[in-house]
Amino acid sequence: GQQVMQIPQYQHVQEGEDFTTYCNSSTTLSNIQWYKQRPGGHPVFLIQLVKSGEVKKQKRLTFQFGEAKKNSSLHITATQTTDVGTYFCAGRDSSYKLIFGSGTRLLVRP
Amino acid sequence: EPEVTQTPSHQVTQMGQEVILRCVPISNHLYFYWYRQILGQKVEFLVSFYNNEISEKSEIFDDQFSVERPDGSNFTLKIRSTKLEDSAMYFCASSDPLGPQHFGDGTRLSIL
Repeated sequence: GQQVMQIPQYQHVQEGEDFTTYCNSSTTLSNIQWYKQRPGGHPVFLIQLVKSGEVKKQKRLTFQFGEAKKNSSLHITATQTTDVGTYFCAGRDSSYKLIFGSGTRLLVRP
Repeated sequence: EPEVTQTPSHQVTQMGQEVILRCVPISNHLYFYWYRQILGQKVEFLVSFYNNEISEKSEIFDDQFSVERPDGSNFTLKIRSTKLEDSAMYFCASSDPLGPQHFGDGTRLSIL
């Protein structure tokens, strides 16, 4: 079945440093979504990418969707303590279900 | 902003008992989902529901599980004869067609 891999599992950065998490699907995706989950919280939708090679920015966050629509990345510039949480990519093929990656847990040292 | 609500926030149940987890999706959404998250692990898809029937389910969603939309607002997940390994956070989500999924705060299910 479809699998979505995500690396790294953990990232511990100094406040102000950049952070990147990578997502790889075993199958071509129709779209990919990114979610953030704070400790003890629920996944909160960040963005959806649909087009091959698409790049979207939200303030310090940059999201990319690969040309083959099988990989994606999230880059955070100049991390802040409020960025702490687990970032999940979630891929969708032709169906409605989301297959979540394993998540990257971001810890930020003040 | 409209949100998905889930009750209860925490459910403690004896192994072998039945539980019903309740969700009120966002009112104009037509697609509903259940996911589970074992502590410290990733979010796992269980089932999607549209037009009063299951549209997809994962291998986790076996005969022990069922979903229902008993009225115009609620969406429930029933787990029959619970097992220890059913202990997890269960999230309900709803969406427009192909739009982002909006998650509830979850129900923490603890099986003793």
